[in-house]
Amino acid sequence: GNSVTQMEGPVTLSEEAFLTINCTYTATGYPSLFWYVQYPGEGLQLLLKATKADDKGSNKGFEATYRKETTSFHLEKGSVQVSDSAVYFCALSSYSSASKIIFGSGTRLSIRP
Amino acid sequence: GAVVSQHPSRVICKSGTSVKIECRSLDFQATTMFWYRQFPKQSLMLMATSNEGSKATYEQGVEKDKFLINHASLTLSTLTVTSAHPEDSSFYICSARVAAGTSGTDTQYFGPGTRLTVL
Repeated sequence: GNSVTQMEGPVTLSEEAFLTINCTYTATGYPSLFWYVQYPGEGLQLLLKATKADDKGSNKGFEATYRKETTSFHLEKGSVQVSDSAVYFCALSSYSSASKIIFGSGTRLSIRP
Repeated sequence: GAVVSQHPSRVICKSGTSVKIECRSLDFQATTMFWYRQFPKQSLMLMATSNEGSKATYEQGVEKDKFLINHASLTLSTLTVTSAHPEDSSFYICSARVAAGTSGTDTQYFGPGTRLTVL
């Protein structure tokens, strides 16, 4: 079945450091891929998405590229800020899963001033 | 962008009582909404798919008599936790699906969540 695997946290970085959170997926067909962010005590917000191979999603300085050959959708940001501290979820959706979203386990990111 | 609200944001109740949580799409219509449960420091677990005008579809292992879902209109779905017990304490999150447009893919927008504590 479809699944998402992302790197375990917590990840702790200093402000202005480079961020990578790895995400790989297993899916039949051609899934859409997403990164969601959850700030403390809040629901999920869609951060970015990509719907086909080689698409790059980007938002708020974050970006991720849909790599079909490596079945990956790694999240990157060149210079993180304290306000980026949150939990990040990689996810996929496909017609084979009735368009339900399948989430990874989440990666907690903490940024030190 | 699409906004989804939940009410209440936080509720504390006594064991044995029922609690209703509302999920509303504020600026769009959603024929399909989803209910998730999230335990501390864990990912979201899909509980059920709520379809406007028809019965909800529950995921395996979710008791439909325990978690009653009603999707009475295109902008409102409710989750009622019946005869709540301490083990039902959790963070409940709903989402509303926006059908694929030119992007060719559906997108879900999430509510802010409801924290339920059962004493």
